[in-house]
Amino acid sequence: QVELVESGGGVVQPGRSLRLSCVASGFTFSHYGMHWVRQAPGRGLEWVAVIWNDGSYKDYVESVKGRFTISRDNFKNTLYLQMNSLRAEDTAVYFCAREEAMLFDLWGLGTLVTVSS
Amino acid sequence: DIEMTQFPSSVSASVGDRVTITCRASLDISSWLGWYQQKPGKAPKLLIYGSSSLQSGVPSRFSGSGSGTHFTLTINSLQPEDFATYYCQQGNSFSLTFGGGTKVEIK
Repeated sequence: QVELVESGGGVVQPGRSLRLSCVASGFTFSHYGMHWVRQAPGRGLEWVAVIWNDGSYKDYVESVKGRFTISRDNFKNTLYLQMNSLRAEDTAVYFCAREEAMLFDLWGLGTLVTVSS
Repeated sequence: DIEMTQFPSSVSASVGDRVTITCRASLDISSWLGWYQQKPGKAPKLLIYGSSSLQSGVPSRFSGSGSGTHFTLTINSLQPEDFATYYCQQGNSFSLTFGGGTKVEIK
């Protein structure tokens, strides 16, 4: 079954860190660029980060540059998002998504990150 | 960054109606545009890629058109399962950006 399953969300205080994971199955993970997309409660979609299939290129939305790091382990079929110095405005459901021609053709169910004191 | 402006933000329609949603890009993005459907509590689902190509498994009542800076998503003969929020997304360049969304509600 082709799917993405995120984990690692939770409630965290401002300034703390959290690492999200996304396990892929049912397709050749190492062939695809992967992304994180987030959605704040009641709001629209916001692209967060990308990593190419071989990990050679990474990019981020401006608001998370220097705080978030995307990475992947193609042997474990797993995508990661290390989130440091978290802020209240980072509160959102975080989706991992598979890229096809700069669009997202497969999404996980998402994991909720709540940044609150 | 390329700004995507989507309108209307919401539309009320009845089953069987035709609904058209518009998306405008702040720069020419050629046909690098996709449309997604999202239902409450669910992940988005890709409907249209390349501005006008139907993703596999998507009903033919959905269609997309446009290029450059002006794009539309049309839903012909709206069905009960089509009540959802729709987003456009430009795939021309990073940062990838989405429109603000259009909520299709039951009249």
